[in-house]
Amino acid sequence: KAGVTQTPRYLIKTRGQQVTLSCSPISGHRSVSWYQQTPGQGLQFLFEYFSETQRNKGNFPGRFSGRQFSNSRSEMNVSTLELGDSALYLCASKRQRGTEAFFGQGTRLTVV
Amino acid sequence: TQLLEQSPQFLSIQEGENLTVYCNSSSVFSSLQWYRQEPGEGPVLLVTVVTGGEVKKLKRLTFQFGDARKDSSLHITAAQPGDTGLYLCAGTFQGGSEKLVFGKGTKLTVNP
Repeated sequence: KAGVTQTPRYLIKTRGQQVTLSCSPISGHRSVSWYQQTPGQGLQFLFEYFSETQRNKGNFPGRFSGRQFSNSRSEMNVSTLELGDSALYLCASKRQRGTEAFFGQGTRLTVV
Repeated sequence: TQLLEQSPQFLSIQEGENLTVYCNSSSVFSSLQWYRQEPGEGPVLLVTVVTGGEVKKLKRLTFQFGDARKDSSLHITAAQPGDTGLYLCAGTFQGGSEKLVFGKGTKLTVNP
């Protein structure tokens, strides 16, 4: 079965712009989590959505937001981009009650 | 805040050598997962352990979960260049949400 699909794979944006990233989970998975990965901080949890509701949230500013649609696909949005937002953004899907997370290939965001 | 400590941070060895990487926390894990990540890609799940003292094997990889469920180790026998990558442990914690917390990883390089 198809894995987690993230689009786009690469993105270059200018400071102050906003960006929307997309994630399609594994078929049948209802939980989608987002992570930011940087060399210095490792993987940091952004938020998790389950059945269109945000279930958990990490310690990121309000410029980072997300949503989940009825088909479980999820988007995350970052407004007013800063240079420090440059990172690999990873999406992971989980089964309804499982804890095993399956990751997409990520979106590499570069802010210039 | 639950933290995971991984050691060593970097490891460079020759093909054929054995190695062990460690993952520790001061809190009790509900479950713990090991992932391997290659540059520019998302983490790939290797194993999940949930029972204290559990040992799981995946070809040349042996995973152990501590009796108290506060630590885990990954042992690789006769390492090969294809084992090169970033090894990440991640866990959910007792009494917490299902949020997956990651360590910063061990970057393994196996030289031919």
